[in-house]
Amino acid sequence: NAGVTQTPKFQVLKTGQSMTLQCAQDMNHEYMSWYRQDPGMGLRLIHYSVGAGITDQGEVPNGYNVSRSTTEDFPLRLLSAAPSQTSVYFCASTPGQGKYTEAFFGQGTRLTVV
Amino acid sequence: AQSVTQLGSHVSVSEGALVLLRCNYSSSVPPYLFWYVQYPNQGLQLLLKYTSAATLVKGINGFEAEFKKSETSFHLTKPSAHMSDAAEYFCAVRGAQGGSEKLVFGKGTKLTVNP
Repeated sequence: NAGVTQTPKFQVLKTGQSMTLQCAQDMNHEYMSWYRQDPGMGLRLIHYSVGAGITDQGEVPNGYNVSRSTTEDFPLRLLSAAPSQTSVYFCASTPGQGKYTEAFFGQGTRLTVV
Repeated sequence: AQSVTQLGSHVSVSEGALVLLRCNYSSSVPPYLFWYVQYPNQGLQLLLKYTSAATLVKGINGFEAEFKKSETSFHLTKPSAHMSDAAEYFCAVRGAQGGSEKLVFGKGTKLTVNP
């Protein structure tokens, strides 16, 4: 089982560049989310989706866009990269609303903005 | 709003010693609590979860956690540390209200196991 797959694993961007972090899950989970992990900060929620066509902001949404056209995919777009966006990004999926099960995480994308 | 506090950003134990990682939660409704482990350069893996069925929850790799409502705590323990337990551990909470599917994480505790 692939679970949650994130690509790329590593990325270096120049300030001002844009890019898309890919996330795909093959578990037919309704709920998907993006977190960023910074030293000493734990994981903070960027955006989340409760189903195809429905997205909402998390704790730290500024500078990021998301869309959810299919159940499987939930890409995260950086519009104009800034050094403050240097971080490790994790995508997670969870079975649908009302089912209080754990989130399943991808292996992460380590992003450096120079 | 739910939140969790992990006491101690770094914990160091000797191999074979007791591991105790502390987590206190704040929630206005009965919480759903989780412990995740992150090994270096990897994603997060579920260790165990509390969903009100039992106050003592057993997880993988010999870890367990006890839910104490009176103390708003969900501390993680392991009787005897192994070198392979060296990792970062995260406590997380999700509210039990309908639609509240967002996980809120603590800041993490990095566990070092000394030979």
